Amino acid sequence: QVQLVESGGGVVQPGGSLRLSCAASGFIFNNHAIHWVRQAPGKGLEWLSFIHFDGSETNYVESVQGRFTISRDNSKNTVYLQMNSLRVDDTGVYYCARELGRRTKQGFLDPWGQGTLVTVSS
Amino acid sequence: QSALTQPPSASGSPGQSVTISCTGTSSDIGGFNYVAWYQHRPGTAPKLIIYEVTRRPSGVSDRFSGSKSGNTASLTVSGLQAEDEGDYYCSSYENNNKYVFGSGTRVTVL
Repeated sequence: QVQLVESGGGVVQPGGSLRLSCAASGFIFNNHAIHWVRQAPGKGLEWLSFIHFDGSETNYVESVQGRFTISRDNSKNTVYLQMNSLRVDDTGVYYCARELGRRTKQGFLDPWGQGTLVTVSS
Repeated sequence: QSALTQPPSASGSPGQSVTISCTGTSSDIGGFNYVAWYQHRPGTAPKLIIYEVTRRPSGVSDRFSGSKSGNTASLTVSGLQAEDEGDYYCSSYENNNKYVFGSGTRVTVL
């Protein structure tokens, strides 16, 4: 079945870095854009970033622009989120999610992974 | 990129209907039909229940329906069941390949 599995979360000090991975299976990976979404403790969902099916387009929410970099390796069915200059308010559960349509970028996310927890604390 | 505005909570008795609003601007909801709704139960992954304003993914109950008027989208849950409890989020495409979620609504079945 279609599945996304995040990994790479953990505890990091402010100013540190982490790289999250999103491993996909059960579908033709290079036909779908992938998004990252996070949920801070007690808060709602926040869209962070997307990468188009072939990596030709990426984008970020303003609060992570310049600090986070999204990339994909279609040979490994994996999307990455490199997070630098981490701040305390970057703490939360980070989800990756597949764009529903083939080669679309409409923001319809299905399915989602189970999430990986990132804690930024000194 | 401000979050779309949703009421913090909504409730209803089993069998009743509840409608959740999601208000944005002409740069997001009002400008595109790329509105989606997600159900998020604690400890689980969010689940897409409505996309493209009114469409339901395969396997999603027809008790869920969506609509849009101007800059406001709405989700209606009919025939409320205990399993419908959880948080519901709207989302929309914005200009320039960006996306925004709503603030979230906690649905309680009384």
